[in-house]
Amino acid sequence: EAGVAQSPRYKIIEKRQSVAFWCNPISGHATLYWYQQILGQGPKLLIQFQNNGVVDDSQLPKDRFSAERLKGVDSTLKIQPAKLEDSAVYLCASSIGLAGNEQFFGPGTRLTVL
Amino acid sequence: GDSVTQMEGPVTLSEEAFLTINCTYTATGYPSLFWYVQYPGEGLQLLLKATKADDKGSNKGFEATYRKETTSFHLEKGSVQVSDSAVYFCALYGFGNEKLTFGTGTRLTIIP
Repeated sequence: EAGVAQSPRYKIIEKRQSVAFWCNPISGHATLYWYQQILGQGPKLLIQFQNNGVVDDSQLPKDRFSAERLKGVDSTLKIQPAKLEDSAVYLCASSIGLAGNEQFFGPGTRLTVL
Repeated sequence: GDSVTQMEGPVTLSEEAFLTINCTYTATGYPSLFWYVQYPGEGLQLLLKATKADDKGSNKGFEATYRKETTSFHLEKGSVQVSDSAVYFCALYGFGNEKLTFGTGTRLTIIP
């Protein structure tokens, strides 16, 4: 069974530029999550989708971050414009359903904002 | 709100030593508790979990017991190997806020 796929693995941009990350969850997983992991900290949930609907985006900085999950499969996370403090690893995870089901994580995208 | 406090690292041990990584939590109700492991260059993987008080999760020689009276979920292994070198995250799933809350992680290095 293929795992959660993410691309790119690494990205370096200048501040005020835009960037997009892509995630393909495990086939059949209805729930998809985006986390931000700043160096030295644990992952923090940014947004959670159930199929193509948003379940929780309370921690997403909506002035600069956006995410979509068209057709309830792949998802993209965008940052526009990027700030220095956005430097982090962005993790995508998926699970079969809600309510504490095991989440499977992708390898992450390491973003450096200069 | 929910929170997880984890033993700060880094932790360096010799091969075959006994390992304990402390984890305590704050949550309303009865959360599920997890340990995730992140090997270099890889994503987080679920190592073990426990869903109710006194449950013991175990996997790959690692164990952790859900202690409600002390709100703890300490990770232990009797004899560590070089291949156990990784970052370990304690986490809880709170049924009040329906999300996974992570600790800050503990980097473990095992030297031969």
